[in-house]
Amino acid sequence: GDSVTQMEGPVTLSEEAFLTINCTYTATGYPSLFWYVQYPGEGLQLLLKATKADDKGSNKGFEATYRKETTSFHLEKGSVQVSDSAVYFCALSSGNTPLVFGKGTRLSVIA
Amino acid sequence: DAGVTQSPTHLIKTRGQQVTLRCSPKSGHDTVSWYQQALGQGPQFIFQYYEEEERQRGNFPDRFSGHQFPNYSSELNVNALLLGDSALYLCASSLISDPRSPLHFGNGTRLTVT
Repeated sequence: GDSVTQMEGPVTLSEEAFLTINCTYTATGYPSLFWYVQYPGEGLQLLLKATKADDKGSNKGFEATYRKETTSFHLEKGSVQVSDSAVYFCALSSGNTPLVFGKGTRLSVIA
Repeated sequence: DAGVTQSPTHLIKTRGQQVTLRCSPKSGHDTVSWYQQALGQGPQFIFQYYEEEERQRGNFPDRFSGHQFPNYSSELNVNALLLGDSALYLCASSLISDPRSPLHFGNGTRLTVT
């Protein structure tokens, strides 16, 4: 079945550092790919998405490119802030199938 | 425009008891999905409701059941609670006619089974 593997955390960075969170997937067909963010005590919020190969999703300075050849969707940000501290989930969905999530990566940004 | 709302926010139950969690979808959405998020894990799909019927189901036992009402709101029921049912239960809504649109999640109900 479909699955998502993302790098284990926690990841601790200093403010203004560069962020990369790796995500690879296994899926039949051509899934849509998503990054969700979960702030402490809250539900999941969609951060960005890409629906076909070579699409780049972007939002709030975060970016991820749908790479079909490497089945990857790595999340990047050039300069993280303390307010970016959260848990980040990579996810996929094929058509009408339910979202399949990775285990999440906790990011802590220190001032 | 109200987003997805869930109640209660926190709940403590004893093993063997039954629990009901509630969810109101985002305005304009007609489909509700439920997810279980164990501590330190990603959300796992439980089931999805549309037109008051269960359309898809994940790998969860029959102790987990649900309902959707004519106003699209939904309930998740768990019978014979086990310690392992302790988790954050997330409700998400969407529009069936737009399968590529993202799910909108509520803040969840934190269930603790003692």
